[in-house]
Amino acid sequence: EAQVTQNPRYLITVTGKKLTVTCSQNMNHEYMSWYRQDPGLGLRQIYYSMNVEVTDKGDVPEGYKVSRKEKRNFPLILESPSPNQTSLYFCASSLLAGGYNEQFFGPGTRLTVL
Amino acid sequence: DAKTTQPNSMESNEEEPVHLPCNHSTISGTDYIHWYRQLPSQGPEYVIHGLTSNVNNRMASLAIAEDRKSSTLILHRATLRDAAVYYCILRDESSYKLIFGSGTRLLVRP
Repeated sequence: EAQVTQNPRYLITVTGKKLTVTCSQNMNHEYMSWYRQDPGLGLRQIYYSMNVEVTDKGDVPEGYKVSRKEKRNFPLILESPSPNQTSLYFCASSLLAGGYNEQFFGPGTRLTVL
Repeated sequence: DAKTTQPNSMESNEEEPVHLPCNHSTISGTDYIHWYRQLPSQGPEYVIHGLTSNVNNRMASLAIAEDRKSSTLILHRATLRDAAVYYCILRDESSYKLIFGSGTRLLVRP
């Protein structure tokens, strides 16, 4: 089944403890992206990747890192999480980056930073 | 990316058609009109997209005004499972992201 998977689905952590949220897609998509969703602010893009080893900042990249060493994986790294990063995170992928491509979203990761 | 305007909420009865409007008066010639929906506790899900002509797929139909300044997502027979937030999004062909507005929350009554 074609899908985007994220792990973990739920995570509670403490301030400053490094964490990684994994994202994987099995559709051989070139484009991948991370979004966060917050009440009243909607979905906002954090980082995106056009292809392997090509990443760029979205609208809210502060406090996050990403890497794209393989086509299928696009992990989101929080080196020193803070409470304002408590949010619902979604990974997405599409075949290509262009505006005519549909994006496939993962099920989300709910992160709480205490 | 150009801005879209949608009603905050709409209601429908089950088994009836639903027309979800979207205004995008500043749309440019290269903007695609995308619709996504987000069911409770799930990630956004692609519904349909178009450029100039009306489009149909298994989920819905997209009616695009002749001047492209507005569009309507049509669910032909609403089911309870269609209760979700529906987002109308414009994407330029070179755009790298989706810009989600606040969307329309659709309530489907049994």
